[in-house]
Amino acid sequence: EIVMTQSPATLSVSPGERATLSCRASQSVDNNLAWYQQKPGQGPRLLIYGASTRATGVPARFSGSGSGTDFTLTISSLQSEDFAVYYCQQYNAWRALTFGGGTKVEI
Amino acid sequence: EVQLVQSGGGLIQPGGSLRLSCAASGFTVSDNYMTWVRQAPGKGLEWVSVMYSGGSTYFADSVKGRFTISRDNSKNTLYLQMNSLRAEDTAVYYCARFLYNLYGDLWGQGTLVTVSS
Repeated sequence: EIVMTQSPATLSVSPGERATLSCRASQSVDNNLAWYQQKPGQGPRLLIYGASTRATGVPARFSGSGSGTDFTLTISSLQSEDFAVYYCQQYNAWRALTFGGGTKVEI
Repeated sequence: EVQLVQSGGGLIQPGGSLRLSCAASGFTVSDNYMTWVRQAPGKGLEWVSVMYSGGSTYFADSVKGRFTISRDNSKNTLYLQMNSLRAEDTAVYYCARFLYNLYGDLWGQGTLVTVSS
């Protein structure tokens, strides 16, 4: 099983600031990585796939980068609606999809 | 509107059974890779099961032999039948459409399953 490790567990930022979230895979997943946003009481929302491709309707302030084992999700200027928990997910091992533990972005 | 609406769930005793439903609108369940993902209280996301468009099914080792996944094409609905439930199955269960069986572009609202005596 590919283990996905996210850091930090909690990120405290102010509106308008830049947020950088990290995700590390226990082995290479090439660029087969997705990022999700989850707000309380809701299902996850797909933000990024292919490590860097924004999903339909996702604002340009969200960007993804990385390949192999190290990935980054950057939110360039945090808006109030961006405070949520973010998860990465690898799909390189497509019969054993795994998620990271999440990063909570709080005010 | 393209959406997934879940039902089922609730409080069940250890060893009991429960069936979750996931009704789709705006697209056809049988044309897609449909997945169940769960989230234990305060924890991250865990992949549980997938049903391919062709009908093949796969399960996480933690639920293999206890859970089954199925669909009713006439109702455009996905199901998760959970048997021999354990306390560690307590979680919010989400159904999701996974594009190419890779990443989830559409998720249900989730339903809570609590296994406790």
